[in-house]
Amino acid sequence: EPEVTQTPSHQVTQMGQEVILRCVPISNHLYFYWYRQILGQKVEFLVSFYNNEISEKSEIFDDQFSVERPDGSNFTLKIRSTKLEDSAMYFCASSGDRGSYGYTFGSGTRLTVV
Amino acid sequence: GEDVEQSLFLSVREGDSSVINCTYTDSSSTYLYWYKQEPGAGLQLLTYIFSNMDMKQDQRLTVLLNKKDKHLSLRIADTQTGDSAIYFCAEALAGSARQLTFGSGTQLTVLP
Repeated sequence: EPEVTQTPSHQVTQMGQEVILRCVPISNHLYFYWYRQILGQKVEFLVSFYNNEISEKSEIFDDQFSVERPDGSNFTLKIRSTKLEDSAMYFCASSGDRGSYGYTFGSGTRLTVV
Repeated sequence: GEDVEQSLFLSVREGDSSVINCTYTDSSSTYLYWYKQEPGAGLQLLTYIFSNMDMKQDQRLTVLLNKKDKHLSLRIADTQTGDSAIYFCAEALAGSARQLTFGSGTQLTVLP
């Protein structure tokens, strides 16, 4: 069964450093998403991406965040200057269309900012 | 804004049925979903229901939707120890780029 692959599975970074979280969505999917889950809290929407541009973003997705699909295969989330409160599990997801079917999520990257 | 609520914990005996409940506030929900998260793993889509349906059955899973009360439930028949996980309900709203709003998750523990 096709999978969404995320790397790394765990990343530790110092506060103020830039991090890039990587995702390989399912190859024929068109919509891409990032969500995050702070420990003990709900899974929260960050951003959706379609046709090489952001479709929607939440208020969490401020100027410190950016997304890119650099090569038609990878989908990345960059955090420019990490803060302690960015520590969370980050999930990438993709879907084939805006229709009925739920997303396929990756297994997540646990980001720890120290 | 939209909100999705679930009870945090549920324990059942192996072989019994589990019923996980969810309430949501936004009546413009188009699709409602159930996801399963096992320790250290991602979110696995279990099933979904379109908002104009009342019920959907898929093997051991039965989803009931009461749109009037904005209540969604997931029934797992013959619950097994492998069903122990966190179960999230989520809604997708009309007009959005299909962003999902998740509940806080229900930790299901299946006792032998």
